Amino acid sequence: DGGITQSPKYLFRKEGQNVTLSCEQNLNHDAMYWYRQDPGQGLRLIYYSQIVNDFQKGDIAEGYSVSREKKESFPLTVTSAQKNPTAFYLCASSKGQGAYNEQFFGPGTRLTVL
Amino acid sequence: AQKITQTQPGMFVQEKEAVTLDCTYDTSDPSYGLFWYKQPSSGEMIFLIYQGSYDQQNATEGRYSLNFQKARKSANLVISASQLGDSAMYFCAMREVYSGGGADGLTFGKGTHLIIQP
Repeated sequence: DGGITQSPKYLFRKEGQNVTLSCEQNLNHDAMYWYRQDPGQGLRLIYYSQIVNDFQKGDIAEGYSVSREKKESFPLTVTSAQKNPTAFYLCASSKGQGAYNEQFFGPGTRLTVL
Repeated sequence: AQKITQTQPGMFVQEKEAVTLDCTYDTSDPSYGLFWYKQPSSGEMIFLIYQGSYDQQNATEGRYSLNFQKARKSANLVISASQLGDSAMYFCAMREVYSGGGADGLTFGKGTHLIIQP
């Protein structure tokens, strides 16, 4: 089955630690995205990548980093510089650009900073 | 200013009734797309329906239809014959082709929590 997988589902981190969230897709999509969702809020774009070895900052990139070494993988690192990292993180992918560009989402990772 | 506004934080609807979820948007881009997603308590985002800014007809997908009023910048989601399984958060989102500041992601509203009562 084609789709997007994210791991782990739940992640706990101590303050001051970096942590990496995994996102893998087998849909052969060029574009991949990371969003953050806080309670009672919509999603906000952290980073996106339209092609391998290239990525761009979204609206709230501070304190996060990404890499795109393979088409199917787009890991997100939450660094210690992120002041309030506790949130629900969703990864998405799409075929490409344009107004019609349905994004398919993974199941999400819930990060809690202790 | 908010680019996507969903004015109904929560709604209670009787099973089998139709429900309309409101969404207004703000853009000066001539080319844009509007999306509705459903988010059950499990957290996954499920794509429901899409409307392009140049589409002449309202989009429909099964029990879902989109009431697109371009002049009013409105893109309301209509769910006909609601079911208990429709209880979830619903998000309206937009992609602007030219004026998104280079970002290729979606801009989301804050969502509407829909609860279907038996």
